[in-house]
Amino acid sequence: EPEVTQTPSHQVTQMGQEVILRCVPISNHLYFYWYRQILGQKVEFLVSFYNNEISEKSEIFDDQFSVERPDGSNFTLKIRSTKLEDSAMYFCASSPLPTGVNSNQPQHFGDGTRLSIL
Amino acid sequence: EDKVVQSPLSLVVHEGDTVTLNCSYEVTNFRSLLWYKQEKKAPTFLFMLTSSGIEKKSGRLSSILDKKELFSILNITATQTGDSAVYLCAGGDMRFGAGTRLTVKP
Repeated sequence: EPEVTQTPSHQVTQMGQEVILRCVPISNHLYFYWYRQILGQKVEFLVSFYNNEISEKSEIFDDQFSVERPDGSNFTLKIRSTKLEDSAMYFCASSPLPTGVNSNQPQHFGDGTRLSIL
Repeated sequence: EDKVVQSPLSLVVHEGDTVTLNCSYEVTNFRSLLWYKQEKKAPTFLFMLTSSGIEKKSGRLSSILDKKELFSILNITATQTGDSAVYLCAGGDMRFGAGTRLTVKP
């Protein structure tokens, strides 16, 4: 069964540095998402992306964050000037259609990248 | 502000028991309600509910949505230790609840 793959599985970065988290969505999916889960807390939506544009973003997704689909397979999340509170598990997800829109097409999640800011 | 509230936050049962997990939601632009199971890492999809009163079933798991009362339940019958996980509910705009941590003891 096709999977969403994320690399690296664990990223350790010094505070203030930039980090890029990488995701390869399922190949025929058109919608891509990033979420984060701070340890012990709920999964939080960050951003959704379609047709090379951000379609929705949460209040968490401020100017520190950016997303890009640099080629036909990768979907990246860049975090600039990382802070201690950015430490979390970051999940990428993809779906063939927007979730909930006339379909039964859920989002498929990758295994996540654990980001540790020191 | 949209919110999704799950209850209970944690639940400990013995194998063979039946459990009911609750999810209430207030979202401004409801499209669907989703249930996920999260074990060690990625949430895995269980159900998507868009219509009120129609039960969805998958083996020992079932779920139903009440759009009038703005809640959904997830039932697990004849629980097994492998059902131990955090069960997440999400509104159609992918706002997640805090989850219910289910522990099934042998």
